[in-house]
Amino acid sequence: EPEVTQTPSHQVTQMGQEVILRCVPISNHLYFYWYRQILGQKVEFLVSFYNNEISEKSEIFDDQFSVERPDGSNFTLKIRSTKLEDSAMYFCASSRMIEAFFGQGTRLTVV
Amino acid sequence: KQEVTQIPAALSVPEGENLVLNCSFTDSAIYNLQWFRQDPGKGLTSLLLIQSSQREQTSGRLNASLDKSSGRSTLYIAASQPGDSATYLCAPNRDDKIIFGKGTRLHILP
Repeated sequence: EPEVTQTPSHQVTQMGQEVILRCVPISNHLYFYWYRQILGQKVEFLVSFYNNEISEKSEIFDDQFSVERPDGSNFTLKIRSTKLEDSAMYFCASSRMIEAFFGQGTRLTVV
Repeated sequence: KQEVTQIPAALSVPEGENLVLNCSFTDSAIYNLQWFRQDPGKGLTSLLLIQSSQREQTSGRLNASLDKSSGRSTLYIAASQPGDSATYLCAPNRDDKIIFGKGTRLHILP
């Protein structure tokens, strides 16, 4: 069964560094999303991406964040100058407009 | 702005019971609604999808209903088992954005 794949599963980075979280969506899907979940809190929407551009973003998704679909299969989230409060689980999702499927997440720890 | 509320926040019951998890949302102009399961430290597994034109969906022991006009959905779990222990998340979808509630943390006692 097709699935959304995220790498790495866990990343530790120093405060101020840049990180890139990677996702391979399901191959015939058209919509792509990033969400985050701070430990013990709810899953929060960051951004949605369609037709090679951002279609929606939340107030969390500020200039520190960017997304890219560098080729036909990958979808990345870049976080510049990481802060301690960026520590969270980051989930990628994809859909063909109806049902969304989520990856297993990347746990980002900023130290 | 879509707000999603799930009641109860936590539930601990002996196995075998039938359960009802409630979800309400403020913006009823949704495309569809999904119910997800999340195990501790893990990803989100889609359980059921109800499209906006549908009233309910069933998968095995799970049944979800949707009343879009009143902004409510209910997840019914029949004959609960210890393996059902997880957090259940309600997620209405509108305008390319799925918004999650805080979830119901379910613990089924053997």
